[in-house]
Amino acid sequence: GAVVSQHPSWVICKSGTSVKIECRSLDFQATTMFWYRQFPKQSLMLMATSNEGSKATYEQGVEKDKFLINHASLTLSTLTVTSAHPEDSSFYICSAQLNTGELFFGEGSRLTVL
Amino acid sequence: AQSVTQLGSHVSVSEGALVLLRCNYSSSVPPYLFWYVQYPNQGLQLLLKYTSAATLVKGINGFEAEFKKSETSFHLTKPSAHMSDAAEYFCAVKGSGFQKLVFGTGTRLLVSP
Repeated sequence: GAVVSQHPSWVICKSGTSVKIECRSLDFQATTMFWYRQFPKQSLMLMATSNEGSKATYEQGVEKDKFLINHASLTLSTLTVTSAHPEDSSFYICSAQLNTGELFFGEGSRLTVL
Repeated sequence: AQSVTQLGSHVSVSEGALVLLRCNYSSSVPPYLFWYVQYPNQGLQLLLKYTSAATLVKGINGFEAEFKKSETSFHLTKPSAHMSDAAEYFCAVKGSGFQKLVFGTGTRLLVSP
């Protein structure tokens, strides 16, 4: 099946700094990617839909200025957590959509903000 | 709008026993239904999916699920549990191939020797 890779897998940062997480579709092009957030022992909550070449669509309650999403190419979407705080610590997962609508998920990125 | 409800946040079985993880859905249109498995600190792996073809869907690792419209259910089963099946399982739904996926709250499967 198609492969989606996230980087980094783990990141620890100081409060107030910004962190960028990359999501790449390795063997296919994805016009649409999705970003999810998962708190410990909870389900995945969709944060935003990332469309190549256009602005991301954010879910209700997700701060656009806090979670910057850029989908500059058909194989790469990035999520930047700006001015991170401890409450932003979470597991972030991306998925990329094939032109059939099928989704493939990345391995996830665990962010810890000190 | 679509939603799924997973009954039981934890399910414990013995190795070799039947696995049954429950999922009920709500959808205003014919749904696409999915089961995913997540191992600790990893992403999601698709186990199987229902997309309006056969109601009994077979997936990877010996899992299968049956779509029952009359019961609005899509329960996941496996005849004989293995230790390696211990993980978190998520049921998910979307209204069409290109709509966003909505996840259930997850069920943690515990397998004892």
